[in-house]
Amino acid sequence: GAVVSQHPSRVICKSGTSVKIECRSLDFQATTMFWYRQFPKQSLMLMATSNEGSKATYEQGVEKDKFLINHASLTLSTLTVTSAHPEDSSFYICSANAPGQGQETQYFGPGTRLLVL
Amino acid sequence: TQLLEQSPQFLSIQEGENLTVYCNSSSVFSSLQWYRQEPGEGPVLLVTVVTGGEVKKLKRLTFQFGDARKDSSLHITAAQPGDTGLYLCAGAQGDYKLSFGAGTTVTVRA
Repeated sequence: GAVVSQHPSRVICKSGTSVKIECRSLDFQATTMFWYRQFPKQSLMLMATSNEGSKATYEQGVEKDKFLINHASLTLSTLTVTSAHPEDSSFYICSANAPGQGQETQYFGPGTRLLVL
Repeated sequence: TQLLEQSPQFLSIQEGENLTVYCNSSSVFSSLQWYRQEPGEGPVLLVTVVTGGEVKKLKRLTFQFGDARKDSSLHITAAQPGDTGLYLCAGAQGDYKLSFGAGTTVTVRA
């Protein structure tokens, strides 16, 4: 149980285009999902907390107009990187709290590798 | 500045040896998680510890949460090449957000 999927796993795009990444909880309902980014050889940095049916809460320094988050259902959250630039190239990972596992335990998706040319 | 300091940053050992990874902070956590991450993949949860002084064992892995809930350790006995990966500790402070350590890259040589 507690499986989280992401799509796509890899994406290459041109500078200036927008990219949407999907995060799904496959066998449970997640009221809260989290979006992280991870640069090579570094740890995970929380970008935003996504709550179903409400606006996402962004961490300090993360541009909400650039990283659009939509959490339309209890099993799906999307992250859209708008007008992507080479410096947005990174590994984006989502996670979700699984009910009954303790609110502070998060299960992670496999990540999406974004390369902006 | 990272809330959680992990040490060592890198660890390379021979198969069969033991290893310990440390996760320290000056802050108190309501719970602490350990994850293992392989290249190009998301972190996989190994354990959650919530009680000060708690010790959990998963086969050859032993996890300990400090009495004051500020630190934790991961000990692997008789390491195998399959234990190779990036080990991350992450602490929660009651608001469901996790703060991650910088990670420890473990390499087990056959």
